[in-house]
Amino acid sequence: DTAVSQTPKYLVTQMGNDKSIKCEQNLGHDTMYWYKQDSKKFLKIMFSYNNKELIINETVPNRFSPKSPDKAHLNLHINSLELGDSAVYFCASSQNTGGSYGYTFGSGTRLTVV
Amino acid sequence: AQSVSQHNHHVILSEAASLELGCNYSYGGTVNLFWYVQYPGQHLQLLLKYFSGDPLVKGIKGFEAEFIKSKFSFNLRKPSVQWSDTAEYFCAAGGGSYIPTFGRGTSLIVHP
Repeated sequence: DTAVSQTPKYLVTQMGNDKSIKCEQNLGHDTMYWYKQDSKKFLKIMFSYNNKELIINETVPNRFSPKSPDKAHLNLHINSLELGDSAVYFCASSQNTGGSYGYTFGSGTRLTVV
Repeated sequence: AQSVSQHNHHVILSEAASLELGCNYSYGGTVNLFWYVQYPGQHLQLLLKYFSGDPLVKGIKGFEAEFIKSKFSFNLRKPSVQWSDTAEYFCAAGGGSYIPTFGRGTSLIVHP
């Protein structure tokens, strides 16, 4: 049983398209996150949701819109994709806000914009 | 604002060599510290964490880390590395309700 699952694992798309990445956790955690990992492996927080409410929204283009239908799901929708959006996107969850007990990460979605 | 520095960006070792990866943080309160490992093509997994108590923390796969408050450091160690330890290692620091900040990672290559 995968604790944090993301789909799709790979996503190749053309510039200007709109795409979504889905994330689900079965750990009963209250908080979920989206991280972006660039080509140099740098991890940057994008969003954090606690029990369906947005609590962190870092400086991210508004083409990126998270949606949390319930506390077990946090999806990421990206409009008008650009070349610079190519990266690996990781979903994560934690027991509490801030992840002070540590995160459980999903397996990542490798997005390639061509 | 909190920050995390990992001084070694790339480390290359032979099997059985000892490993120490440096991590320094700046944070103005009670800090929680983590080391995560990312094997090639995989997601990040928690190696170990420190909240309080014994500053020497044992993690999975023979890794340990020592919290030295006076030096704001949380270095990762392993006495004898294996080829399978080849991975990217991330230090992270957070506290309370603050989202942990990740360091830029250290790429470890272990030659058989």
